[in-house]
Amino acid sequence: AQSVTQPDIHITVSEGASLELRCNYSYGATPYLFWYVQSPGQGLQLLLKYFSGDTLVQGIKGFEAEFKRSQSSFNLRKPSVHWSDAAEYFCAVGASYGGSQGNLIFGKGTKLSVKP
Amino acid sequence: GAGVSQSPSNKVTEKGKDVELRCDPISGHTALYWYRQSLGQGLEFLIYFQGNSAPDKSGLPSDRFSAERTGGSVSTLTIQRTQQEDSAVYLCASSPQGGQRAFFGQGTRLTVV
Repeated sequence: AQSVTQPDIHITVSEGASLELRCNYSYGATPYLFWYVQSPGQGLQLLLKYFSGDTLVQGIKGFEAEFKRSQSSFNLRKPSVHWSDAAEYFCAVGASYGGSQGNLIFGKGTKLSVKP
Repeated sequence: GAGVSQSPSNKVTEKGKDVELRCDPISGHTALYWYRQSLGQGLEFLIYFQGNSAPDKSGLPSDRFSAERTGGSVSTLTIQRTQQEDSAVYLCASSPQGGQRAFFGQGTRLTVV
């Protein structure tokens, strides 16, 4: 069965520091992978996605993520965090075909706080 | 409409009452998902519809929860005999095909008093 683990419930970084949010997935085939962000009082917004090809994907707001098949990971990174990045981040795994395998499963989220 | 629409945006109900939450997906999207977001619990999968396939109901927490999708479009999530632990934000999402990028609605905040 598909599953997603985000080991860090809450992370605090200083503004301007680099950021890495961890995501590990369990899936039998090559998955589709996503990172979403949810700002306070806002809906879920897609940051980036991986379907195939280059394992380093670029997203909006200066975020990137790297798919590492050997580690079943899809960690999210940003070289320099801005105060406006404070939000909750969700990693998700999906599949390319329909039926029950097409389900989209989310991790429990990582809350990011940014210190001035 | 341009996005996923959910109604109502807020619902306060008395314990023991039934509630219905509605989701209008993006036109043409074959996949539709319901999730529940409770404080500190992240996004909990409830149910997934994909075209004419049998829905994946594996996430429904109890038999008080049910959902249907009429004509492959609008979906209704029904919670019978609501309990206080049902209080949460219920999110609906749709995607062009299962497992691909999901577009989320703004959610329905359900409060059971």
